Amino acid sequence: DVKVTQSSRYLVKRTGEKVFLECVQDMDHENMFWYRQDPGLGLRLIYFSYDVKMKEKGDIPEGYSVSREKKERFSLILESASTNQTSMYLCAVQGRSNQPQHFGDGTRLSIL
Amino acid sequence: AQSVTQLGSHVSVSEGALVLLRCNYSSSVPPYLFWYVQYPNQGLQLLLKYTSAATLVKGINGFEAEFKKSETSFHLTKPSAHMSDAAEYFCAVSLTYNQGGKLIFGQGTELSVKP
Repeated sequence: DVKVTQSSRYLVKRTGEKVFLECVQDMDHENMFWYRQDPGLGLRLIYFSYDVKMKEKGDIPEGYSVSREKKERFSLILESASTNQTSMYLCAVQGRSNQPQHFGDGTRLSIL
Repeated sequence: AQSVTQLGSHVSVSEGALVLLRCNYSSSVPPYLFWYVQYPNQGLQLLLKYTSAATLVKGINGFEAEFKKSETSFHLTKPSAHMSDAAEYFCAVSLTYNQGGKLIFGQGTELSVKP
């Protein structure tokens, strides 16, 4: 199985900061995803990418951007962090459409 | 449009009892269905997947799920609950191919296991 590594398990940042969350896979999978998870709201898709330099908006892209310069790395960027972006962020990787997605351990981000 | 409904946000069972977590889906095309488990402060781990082969799918940790097209259901079961099964469980359906491999997740069911 693919190994998905998220750069930080816990992160504390201040309002207005630019925040980078990194996700790295050890295979050559095309599809990568960023979700946020909040109590009572389940998983919500922020952005996904199906190839290098390709990206598509998910359901809640506002306030976020992404970067995929290399196939193995997919970065989520909070341009100007706000308190309502305090959440658990999950990265997932998928080999092909309709295959399972494989998740990292998540980054619990707190914006103060 | 595809959607997933998990009935019951919290389920509590006694150790050794049957576990039944319910999932109903809506899909205009033959679906690909998945169950995931999430332990506290961890990511989601794949339990099992249905990809139109056998209707009864066996997964890890003794879980299985049965695909019933007539009921549009994909319920997760385990004959005998163990304390270590306490976690949150998510059912997911794959969107059609031209949606780029996205999954639609249910809201999750938190399973508690009493000694």
